[in-house]
Amino acid sequence: AQSVTQLDSQVPVFEEAPVELRCNYSSSVSVYLFWYVQYPNQGLQLLLKYLSGSTLVKGINGFEAEFNKSQTSFHLRKPSVHISDTAEYFCAVSNNAGNMLTFGGGTRLMVKP
Amino acid sequence: DTGVSQDPRHKITKRGQNVTFRCDPISEHNRLYWYRQTLGQGPEFLTYFQNEAQLEKSRLLSDRFSAERPKGSFSTLEIQRTEQGDSAMYLCASSLAGRGLQNTDTQYFGPGTRLTVL
Repeated sequence: AQSVTQLDSQVPVFEEAPVELRCNYSSSVSVYLFWYVQYPNQGLQLLLKYLSGSTLVKGINGFEAEFNKSQTSFHLRKPSVHISDTAEYFCAVSNNAGNMLTFGGGTRLMVKP
Repeated sequence: DTGVSQDPRHKITKRGQNVTFRCDPISEHNRLYWYRQTLGQGPEFLTYFQNEAQLEKSRLLSDRFSAERPKGSFSTLEIQRTEQGDSAMYLCASSLAGRGLQNTDTQYFGPGTRLTVL
């Protein structure tokens, strides 16, 4: 069984400040890891993914995440946020077969001017 | 690339009525998934298809729920005798399996159908 924990339900941050959204997972098998963003009343948009290879993954909109196998973490970072980054962010894991995603509870990023 | 589309975007129904949602995946994608998202929560897996075969169903998918993908293209999700607890956003996603690691099972989501049961 897999599970994903997003430790912060809300993260308030000022515009142009750096941000880190935390994600920890548990799984008994190798996993693929994903971050999705959800803007109000919209579906989920893929930010980035880790499948294999380099543990530092770069995504869209200036976001990046680092896979840490020993800490079972996949934290999302951005060096300077914009007002438009205000949204809900979901970390997700899938198993080798990739037949289902298990999502965390989400982190609401609130960027203040 | 038109993306994943879902219809309707919003549905309001009375308790006890049946509802049906449609999902059209990205055209070359052979896998299609349904998820349910309640307010303030992450999406929860319901079921998935590879081509027309339904390969996995979550325990969340009670016998009032049925999903089909008759020709391996679009899919429908029907809820019979709706209950207030069925109120949620129903998300569809599609992916392409079997084309190499970088294309494997990255799921692309549609905008969702928001169901409100009164």
